[in-house]
Amino acid sequence: DTGVSQNPRHKITKRGQNVTFRCDPISEHNRLYWYRQTLGQGPEFLTYFQNEAQLEKSRLLSDRFSAERPKGSFSTLEIQRTEQGDSAMYLCASSDRDRVDYGYTFGSGTRLTVV
Amino acid sequence: AQKVTQAQTEISVVEKEDVTLDCVYETRDTTYYLFWYKQPPSGELVFLIRRNSFDEQNEISGRYSWNFQKSTSSFNFTITASQVVDSAVYFCALSEVVGGNTGKLIFGQGTTLQVKP
Repeated sequence: DTGVSQNPRHKITKRGQNVTFRCDPISEHNRLYWYRQTLGQGPEFLTYFQNEAQLEKSRLLSDRFSAERPKGSFSTLEIQRTEQGDSAMYLCASSDRDRVDYGYTFGSGTRLTVV
Repeated sequence: AQKVTQAQTEISVVEKEDVTLDCVYETRDTTYYLFWYKQPPSGELVFLIRRNSFDEQNEISGRYSWNFQKSTSSFNFTITASQVVDSAVYFCALSEVVGGNTGKLIFGQGTTLQVKP
């Protein structure tokens, strides 16, 4: 197992375009988390899944954001009609539900730049 | 409200110096977990340590040590004999258990540590 994989690593898009990011968690992990990190700040929670069920969404996740985890495996995060304020690093993490207290494994993130 | 504060934005030390990164947290709950993560320039957050609210025992792992003091709501991290490879951004985080163990983390703003040769 090579850990949590995120693609693409970098994405530059024009304002108003839609973007989609992918996260492949560690295969035996049933929980998957999305965080957003802006420059000079700590990561902020966006949403999380347990298997295929999306159990919580942050108020940061506006209507333009949608996340899915079909079949409880990989997850996608889509941002519609991107705005410059969406520019950030989007981090994915996974954990085993029974060991979530022991911390997650994070991916390297997708850096989004909206121009 | 739950909050994590890392008052030191940037710290610069010379190799082999000891350095302490401060973390202060706020929570209304009696059961919670505290974490430290390291974020090197590659961007990936690396788990360093977890501590639950009932275990105030300090911990040492090689050159790293952590001091948890519930009385002052602090969870400080010390690197002894720092090395250039320790240069990174370090985050302290809080996870609450009450209300369902979602595993959701609340991060501090991070402390950028630069270790100069």
